[in-house]
Amino acid sequence: EAQVTQNPRYLITVTGKKLTVTCSQNMNHEYMSWYRQDPGLGLRQIYYSMNVEVTDKGDVPEGYKVSRKEKRNFPLILESPSPNQTSLYFCASSLLGAKNIQYFGAGTRLSVL
Amino acid sequence: GESVGLHLPTLSVQEGDNSIINCAYSNSASDYFIWYKQESGKGPQFIIDIRSNMDKRQGQRVTVLLNKTVKHLSLQIAATQPGDSAVYFCAENIDSGGSNYKLTFGKGTLLTVNP
Repeated sequence: EAQVTQNPRYLITVTGKKLTVTCSQNMNHEYMSWYRQDPGLGLRQIYYSMNVEVTDKGDVPEGYKVSRKEKRNFPLILESPSPNQTSLYFCASSLLGAKNIQYFGAGTRLSVL
Repeated sequence: GESVGLHLPTLSVQEGDNSIINCAYSNSASDYFIWYKQESGKGPQFIIDIRSNMDKRQGQRVTVLLNKTVKHLSLQIAATQPGDSAVYFCAENIDSGGSNYKLTFGKGTLLTVNP
């Protein structure tokens, strides 16, 4: 089954404790992206990647890092989480030739205490 | 502020009725407008898109209308079913020559279908 898999689905952590949210897709998509979803603010892009070893900032990159060492994986790294990073995070992927059709994971709900 | 927004945050309809979800945009440079559906506890799912040089596109039970004069986008769902209950997002995509495939999302409309 074609899908984008995020882990974990739920995470509660404390300020300053480094964490990684993993994202994997099995559709051989070149493009991958991370969004955060907050009430009243919709979905905002954090980082994106056009292909392996090619990443760039989205609209709200502060406090986040990403890497794209393999085509299928695009982990989101919070080196020193803060309470304002409490949010619902989504990973998405798409073909470069079908950029409007992004496939989203089920989401990771993160709480930073 | 965001260039993509919505007229109504919530919409309640009876099963079998047609639903119309509206969206206003401000960026005339957008190449595509897209509708996504997000069911509770799930990620957004692509429904349909429309290129900026079109004014109507139909899918299965859905129709998207684009009015560039007033910068308005709408999603019409025919014979709305309980499974259509979700948050609907409009999004726009500006083709910047391949530098980023970013979708700018609106804040969403919650559609509730009453049996």
